[in-house]
Amino acid sequence: AQSVAQPEDQVNVAEGNPLTVKCTYSVSGNPYLFWYVQYPNRGLQFLLKYITGDNLVKGSYGFEAEFNKSQTSFHLKKPSALVSDSALYFCAVEGDSSYKLIFGSGTRLLVRP
Amino acid sequence: DGGITQSPKYLFRKEGQNVTLSCEQNLNHDAMYWYRQDPGQGLRLIYYSQIVNDFQKGDIAEGYSVSREKKESFPLTVTSAQKNPTAFYLCASSSSGTVSNEQYFGPGTRLTVT
Repeated sequence: AQSVAQPEDQVNVAEGNPLTVKCTYSVSGNPYLFWYVQYPNRGLQFLLKYITGDNLVKGSYGFEAEFNKSQTSFHLKKPSALVSDSALYFCAVEGDSSYKLIFGSGTRLLVRP
Repeated sequence: DGGITQSPKYLFRKEGQNVTLSCEQNLNHDAMYWYRQDPGQGLRLIYYSQIVNDFQKGDIAEGYSVSREKKESFPLTVTSAQKNPTAFYLCASSSSGTVSNEQYFGPGTRLTVT
């Protein structure tokens, strides 16, 4: 069965430092992978997706993610963190049906000034 | 939160009462979704609709019902049969029913049942 894991409940980083939020997946076939961000008491916002092609995917707000097939990972990265990046981040993978997304449990990113 | 509205933002109900959560989109999207979010967990799919007058159960449909009479509207009813209804409910839509198209989310409704 398709699944996705976010091994860190929280990531702490200082403003201006690079950040990484980890995601690993387990799928049969080629994966469709997504990152979403959620601010407090809000809905999710789409950041980026990997369908096929270049392993480095660029998305909104300066975020990017690297697809690594051998390590079955899709880590979210940003070269220089902002305090305003503090939020809850979800990795998601296509489920066993083409319409379904399977979400990870989320990682809270805290960027301190 | 794009062109998706959910109302109300907060909803309080007594146990045993049915309650309907509203979801409207003006994005002309064919597909709409309902998710439930609990603390420390990812989103879980309740129901999904690919076109008007058609919908399918997701992973946790028990105790919920939906309708899709109009393209822009996908209301969710939380029935008294739902054993643990207190949660944050999110509605989403996408331009087609295939997952390669990203989903756009509404701001959510926080339901508290006592």
